[in-house]
Amino acid sequence: GAGVSQSPSNKVTEKGKDVELRCDPISGHTALYWYRQSLGQGLEFLIYFQGNSAPDKSGLPSDRFSAERTGGSVSTLTIQRTQQEDSAVYLCASSASMNSPLHFGNGTRLTVT
Amino acid sequence: GENVEQHPSTLSVQEGDSAVIKCTYSDSASNYFPWYKQELGKGPQLIIDIRSNVGEKKDQRIAVTLNKTAKHFSLHITETQPEDSAVYFCAASIRNQGGKLIFGQGTELSVKP
Repeated sequence: GAGVSQSPSNKVTEKGKDVELRCDPISGHTALYWYRQSLGQGLEFLIYFQGNSAPDKSGLPSDRFSAERTGGSVSTLTIQRTQQEDSAVYLCASSASMNSPLHFGNGTRLTVT
Repeated sequence: GENVEQHPSTLSVQEGDSAVIKCTYSDSASNYFPWYKQELGKGPQLIIDIRSNVGEKKDQRIAVTLNKTAKHFSLHITETQPEDSAVYFCAASIRNQGGKLIFGQGTELSVKP
């Protein structure tokens, strides 16, 4: 079946511009996660949505980062006033419940010039 | 919060040999430990996971062991094949409390034919 879909797959933007990254989770999955992976590094947790509960935003690195999940499905990660250090692969994952394994998309590679 | 340390960062083995990757975690409340395999340009894929009520789990050539007292867990791959070459990540989380996975830094495994 369809997996987690992320778009765009690649994004190049100029420093100072805003970007929006989109995640379509697996249908019916109630939990959705965003992670950031810098070159050659591990996965850094950013934010987590579970059903209708308030999201866990404890991993967002600054107030330039925000995310929303509309209708309990699609999620958008927004980075305002991008900086070069924001360059990374942004990965989205979903799971059927908080006790189920995470399924990752292939990520959006963001390059800030 | 939880901290996961993973080593080695790189591992090179000959085809047919075994490979072992080790992780330690800091939060004794963690009770779920998955391992992910990430190939170039792809998102991480779950290969095996273990919960804290068991000490070992096997799936064909892959096994994971968990020592709760020492707070460490390991991935064992036997009879390695070139297609096992990838980056492997361990992770830990407290299930039933949000499912947020904290990842290790990754191990780049190279299997030489």
